[in-house]
Amino acid sequence: NAGVTQTPKFQVLKTGQSMTLQCAQDMNHNSMYWYRQDPGMGLRLIYYSASEGTTDKGEVPNGYNVSRLNKREFSLRLESAAPSQTSVYFCASESYYEQYFGPGTRLTVT
Amino acid sequence: KQEVTQIPAALSVPEGENLVLNCSFTDSAIYNLQWFRQDPGKGLTSLLLIQSSQREQTSGRLNASLDKSSGRSTLYIAASQPGDSATYLCAVRRDTGGFKTIFGAGTRLFVKA
Repeated sequence: NAGVTQTPKFQVLKTGQSMTLQCAQDMNHNSMYWYRQDPGMGLRLIYYSASEGTTDKGEVPNGYNVSRLNKREFSLRLESAAPSQTSVYFCASESYYEQYFGPGTRLTVT
Repeated sequence: KQEVTQIPAALSVPEGENLVLNCSFTDSAIYNLQWFRQDPGKGLTSLLLIQSSQREQTSGRLNASLDKSSGRSTLYIAASQPGDSATYLCAVRRDTGGFKTIFGAGTRLFVKA
């Protein structure tokens, strides 16, 4: 049972480049989330998806887009990366209001 | 606006000591509170989940309490071990509208052998 998986683990982008962070869960959960974690600031919600086909903005959505491709997969896209998006990105899924996290993607934008 | 604070930001204790980590939140209208452990370079692992109607939850050497009226939760770790060294985060989920969970910045714990 893999739980929540994320790819890639590490990524370096130049300012203005685009990329998609992938997330998949095999626990049949309806809700999925994307967070970013920055030093001293805790995790902040970027987007979430309550169910397949629905997405909603979280606390810091600017500069990001998401796709809930199916029940398993929830991707996060950076259309034009900026240095302020250097962070660690976590995907999570949820069952009965308990969240389960992936291992994270460490993104550096130069 | 819900704010979650964890004090201290870092803590160093000798092995075997019992310790308490603190989490405070400003809005008592919460649905639940979850404690996580995060090892360096890793994701978050759920330790304990306390529903708003509960006062405490226990798992092994861990005990988490919740006092909604005072906006506080504590995570008690008994007989600490070097393997307990990690960052501990608390997160509160609001009970109205949407799926917003607010995280504290965490307490970094170091248990010395």
